[in-house]
Order: sequence, then structure tokens, then C-alpha cells
Amino acid sequence: GDSVTQMEGPVTLSEEAFLTINCTYTATGYPSLFWYVQYPGEGLQLLLKATKADDKGSNKGFEATYRKETTSFHLEKGSVQVSDSAVYFCALLKVYNQGGKLIFGQGTELSVKP
Amino acid sequence: GAVVSQHPSWVICKSGTSVKIECRSLDFQATTMFWYRQFPKQSLMLMATSNEGSKATYEQGVEKDKFLINHASLTLSTLTVTSAHPEDSSFYICSARGTSGREYNEQFFGPGTRLTVL
Repeated sequence: GDSVTQMEGPVTLSEEAFLTINCTYTATGYPSLFWYVQYPGEGLQLLLKATKADDKGSNKGFEATYRKETTSFHLEKGSVQVSDSAVYFCALLKVYNQGGKLIFGQGTELSVKP
Repeated sequence: GAVVSQHPSWVICKSGTSVKIECRSLDFQATTMFWYRQFPKQSLMLMATSNEGSKATYEQGVEKDKFLINHASLTLSTLTVTSAHPEDSSFYICSARGTSGREYNEQFFGPGTRLTVL
């Protein structure tokens, strides 16, 4: 079945460091890919998305490119801030199948120290 | 646009009582709503999918008599935890999906409800 695998956390970085959180997926067809962010005690917020191969999603300095050849959607940011500390979830969605269910990775906790 | 609210944001109840959680799409019509449960430090676990006007589809292992879901209108779905016990304490999150455009191609999440059963 379809699945999403993220690198395990927690990831601890110093402020202004470069961030990469790896995400790979297994799916048939052409899923859309998402990164969500969850701050402590809150729900999920969409960070960025990509709907087809080679698309690059970007938002708030974060970027991720939909790589079909490597089935990956790695999240990157050039210079993290303390306020980026949160849990990040990679997810895939098949718009026309499975009732539009989202399949989540296990989440990666990011902690940025000043 | 595409805002989803949940009410209440947190609730504490006694063991054996029932608790209702509301999920509303504020500015779009949600033909499909999803209910998730999240344990501390874990990912979201899909509990059920509800389509407006029909019975919810529950994921394997989720007790439908324990977690009653009603999706009576295009903007409201409710989750009722019946005869709650301490092991039902969790963070419950809903999401909604619309009928066209961006609302169809994504899910939009509510802020979550923290349930604590004493």
C-alpha cells in the first residue's frame, strides 16, 4: 500500500543552520505531496505542497521539490530560526482515489536553539 | 479562505460520560470530513471518513459504537466519544474537503480538541 517515510527526529539545530528533513514515499499513480507543520498544542498548518513531478513548493523560506525518479519530497530551509521549532509532517494525497485520504509520515520534531 | 474550526478546543470530563466535538467548515462546503486522533509525540491516525448525508467509514480497529460520527450538513460534522474512559484521552483533529478547486485537492485542518478523561 501507499506509505510515507520521514527521517527520525528529534533534529536539533542552531539558529541560522541549514535544514533538511528527508521524506520518501511509496505510491501508485500520481499523488500530491504536502508538508504540514504542527506547533505545540496546535493543529496542522499546511506549509507547502506540490501536485506533480518536478514541481517545487515553497513558503516562509522552506522549499521541497517533487522528485518522481527518487520518490522523494525533502524539506529544506537555508537558515532556520528559533520560531521554526515544531513537528513537521510529510504527507501524500491521491485526489481521485481513496476518498482523498491523506497518508502521513511519522513526523519529525525540529528544535532550533538560539 | 478554507477555514475549519473545532469546538471545544479542550474538554475535561469524568469517566463514563459522553463528549461531543464539533467540526465546522466556515467558508466552504465540506462534502467530506475526516477525523484523526493523535497521541503525544506521534503522527495522526485516521479514525474515520464522513460524507455528508451518509454513514461514516471507519478505519480498521476503530469502534464505531464508541466514536459516533454525524455529518448532517455540508458545514458540520460531529464526533461523540461515548462512555469515555481515561484511555480515550487524546488530541482529536478534524479536516475537511470541499467539492471543487483548491478545497477538493487538499484537506483543511481544524485546530484540534484536547480531551482529558478523569
